[in-house]
Amino acid sequence: EPEVTQTPSHQVTQMGQEVILRCVPISNHLYFYWYRQILGQKVEFLVSFYNNEISEKSEIFDDQFSVERPDGSNFTLKIRSTKLEDSAMYFCATRTVRETQYFGPGTRLLVL
Amino acid sequence: GENVEQHPSTLSVQEGDSAVIKCTYSDSASNYFPWYKQELGKGPQLIIDIRSNVGEKKDQRIAVTLNKTAKHFSLHITETQPEDSAVYFCAASTIMEYGNKLVFGAGTILRVKS
Repeated sequence: EPEVTQTPSHQVTQMGQEVILRCVPISNHLYFYWYRQILGQKVEFLVSFYNNEISEKSEIFDDQFSVERPDGSNFTLKIRSTKLEDSAMYFCATRTVRETQYFGPGTRLLVL
Repeated sequence: GENVEQHPSTLSVQEGDSAVIKCTYSDSASNYFPWYKQELGKGPQLIIDIRSNVGEKKDQRIAVTLNKTAKHFSLHITETQPEDSAVYFCAASTIMEYGNKLVFGAGTILRVKS
């Protein structure tokens, strides 16, 4: 069964550094999402992306965050200058025109 | 915006017993309610979902009920097995053409004791 994949599985970075999290969607999926889960808290929506444009973003998704699909396959989340509070599990999710979102295994980001 | 509350936060049951997890939502525009199971080290996996034009949906040992008037929906797992032990999340969404963000509850840790 096709799956959403994410790399890396773990990332440790210094505060102020840039990180790029990568997601490979299921092949026929057209809608892409990033969510994050700070330890012990709810899964929170960050951004949705369709047709090479952001369709919706949350208050969390400020100017330090960006998304793109540079090569038509990978879907990336970039954090330009990481803060301690960016430490979280980041999940990519994708879907077809149907409403079901399929989640990847996540990237655990630790900012020191 | 939408807010989803989920109860209980932890639930322990004996193998073979039933488990019920309840969620309430605030936005009457929400019309899609999925349930996800998350095992340690993995991403959330969809186990069942329901749209607002349906009151109940069942898939083998798992069922979901929806009360639109009261804005609550519940997950029912019958004949629980040790492999049902995991964190369960409810979510709510408003189906639109491009968005459809999911708003999650806080999760329920289910432990099935054998």
